[in-house]
Amino acid sequence: RKEVEQDPGPFNVPEGATVAFNCTYSNSASQSFFWYRQDCRKEPKLLMSVYSSGNEDGRFTAQLNRASQYISLLIRDSKLSDSATYLCVVILTGGGNKLTFGTGTQLKVEL
Amino acid sequence: TAGITQAPTSQILAAGRSMTLRCTQDMRHNAMYWYRQDLGLGLRLIHYSNTAGTTGKGEVPDGYSVSRANTDDFPLTLASAVPSQTSVYFCASSDSGGPDTQYFGPGTRLTVL
Repeated sequence: RKEVEQDPGPFNVPEGATVAFNCTYSNSASQSFFWYRQDCRKEPKLLMSVYSSGNEDGRFTAQLNRASQYISLLIRDSKLSDSATYLCVVILTGGGNKLTFGTGTQLKVEL
Repeated sequence: TAGITQAPTSQILAAGRSMTLRCTQDMRHNAMYWYRQDLGLGLRLIHYSNTAGTTGKGEVPDGYSVSRANTDDFPLTLASAVPSQTSVYFCASSDSGGPDTQYFGPGTRLTVL
């Protein structure tokens, strides 16, 4: 079983739609969680960290469920510019800053 | 500010040849990393360095070596390239070796034939 699993998609949604991605992680000792965004043939960039209490940044909401070992990303009012691959990232306790990446979920926002 | 630069942008390399992928950051970050990204496997850590003068092995270190002579540079060397090393290589840096945001370079697309 992969340490971090994501539905690869693609998720094809109309502009303005709300879309949610889930990500599960296998190691209960994971301590830090992030969503990164990667545009086609570009480098990954941090979208947001995921905190235990959940956090929101504009149209983006991230949540963590430690009991079920998953994190989620909700995007409201999707824009064409949101089209990208969203990478779920986990750091294990004692892992320093060694990121473990999921394979990513592809989002395509259409007119 | 340039952030992180990588060179070359892309390269085709004959199997058995050696090559060094260059990575330079101007943010004075202490920690630097090398990842490879392959379809269906995601990004995997090859080597890392928490501070100048130290390096460590990541998830897939075999066939690669690194050095960290100073804060800014973190070259990745393939001593004898094999086709399975065909991949996109990303260098990254962060302010510390803790759970900080990592900033990625634009990547090097390497094809080994």
